[in-house]
Amino acid sequence: GQNIDQPTEMTATEGAIVQINCTYQTSGFNGLFWYQQHAGEAPTFLSYNVLDGLEEKGRFSSFLSRSKGYSYLLLKELQMKDSASYLCAVEDSNYQLIWGAGTKLIIKP
Amino acid sequence: IAGITQAPTSQILAAGRRMTLRCTQDMRHNAMYWYRQDLGLGLRLIHYSNTAGTTGKGEVPDGYSVSRANTDDFPLTLASAVPSQTSVYFCASSGAGGQPGELFFGEGSRLTVL
Repeated sequence: GQNIDQPTEMTATEGAIVQINCTYQTSGFNGLFWYQQHAGEAPTFLSYNVLDGLEEKGRFSSFLSRSKGYSYLLLKELQMKDSASYLCAVEDSNYQLIWGAGTKLIIKP
Repeated sequence: IAGITQAPTSQILAAGRRMTLRCTQDMRHNAMYWYRQDLGLGLRLIHYSNTAGTTGKGEVPDGYSVSRANTDDFPLTLASAVPSQTSVYFCASSGAGGQPGELFFGEGSRLTVL
């Protein structure tokens, strides 16, 4: 079956760096997405990786290794507003998105 | 403001009742989707539509139906609601203007079936 694994919850300190990991096993691969979802709100797009390597976008970076079925989202200079759930999703060979359950990130002052 | 609008935002429903969740987008996106989100689970696809006039079944379609009469609207109907359909429902669309495969989500409809 298809599976996306990510930690359920993580805690970090304001101003620090945190890495959220995602491992996947899917039928084919057409890209990996990270979304941010604040409590009670809709998911919003953060990043897209289709080739191996690091994609940087401001304080957020996303890394992909297709051979290892692995990605991470790196958040730098954490701010209180970064407290949210972070969803990893993989597009399979049928162009369907398979979603992880999300990682709830708690930022402490 | 361009985007996706869902209605209602919240609803409590008696089991056995029929319910339609509305979804409208003004981005002229071809593809639209309905997901449900439950605690501890990833988003699960209920139904999708790649273009007006066509629909397809997702991972959890049983008990739900959709229609796509035009590009903008994609309503989701629960013919006879059951308590297991208590969830938060998100409508989404994808098309020109975003990253490949990027989804734009509505604000969600929280449905409680008693």
